[in-house]
Amino acid sequence: ETGVTQTPRHLVMGMTNKKSLKCEQHLGHNAMYWYKQSAKKPLELMFVYSLEERVENNSVPSRFSPECPNSSHLFLHLHTLQPEDSALYLCASSQERAFSGNTIYFGEGSWLTVV
Amino acid sequence: KNQVEQSPQSLIILEGKNCTLQCNYTVSPFSNLRWYKQDTGRGPVSLTIMTFSENTKSNGRYTATLDADTKQSSLHITASQLSDSASYICVVSSYGNNRLAFGKGNQVVVIP
Repeated sequence: ETGVTQTPRHLVMGMTNKKSLKCEQHLGHNAMYWYKQSAKKPLELMFVYSLEERVENNSVPSRFSPECPNSSHLFLHLHTLQPEDSALYLCASSQERAFSGNTIYFGEGSWLTVV
Repeated sequence: KNQVEQSPQSLIILEGKNCTLQCNYTVSPFSNLRWYKQDTGRGPVSLTIMTFSENTKSNGRYTATLDADTKQSSLHITASQLSDSASYICVVSSYGNNRLAFGKGNQVVVIP
């Protein structure tokens, strides 16, 4: 148990559906992240929220929409996804931004399959 | 080209044997380097984190080394166990762009 909880663990959705991934951290951290992990590719940073303000959006398609209502919760809203969006989506948190040496704690991931 | 290259891509070892995983990076200026273990279907879990001044760090049977001059790191697994079967991911942090660069991982399979 890493202190970062993701739901659902598995999700199958059609290309016209709208769904959301949820993440909650119990570590008192003030930075949260969404990463995408595809087969045989490095983890890709999608969004970073620090102190509830989004500080990065690495050119992620608009069909992915993040929401961070407070420092403990993070959502990823999904709509009109494409089959190539099928991947493992990892939520993570850290105290301050991770680049400064703070450990990132990852959730167990949400396996997304778009059909 | 990825800023963090790991080798070998995959490795099969016998239970009880040792193995070494390599990570070469081009990230600059360097801040710190981390190794994560990711079991199949799970999220990555931190094993070690090393800064510029640290050459080696251990976590149980895992020992990481860092040569910041040659920009190389290794992760040594001693007396492997079946539970060591996982992907090991090297992550390098830079002061320059405040980002983390991830390797693709070393896939290790330990067989009895």
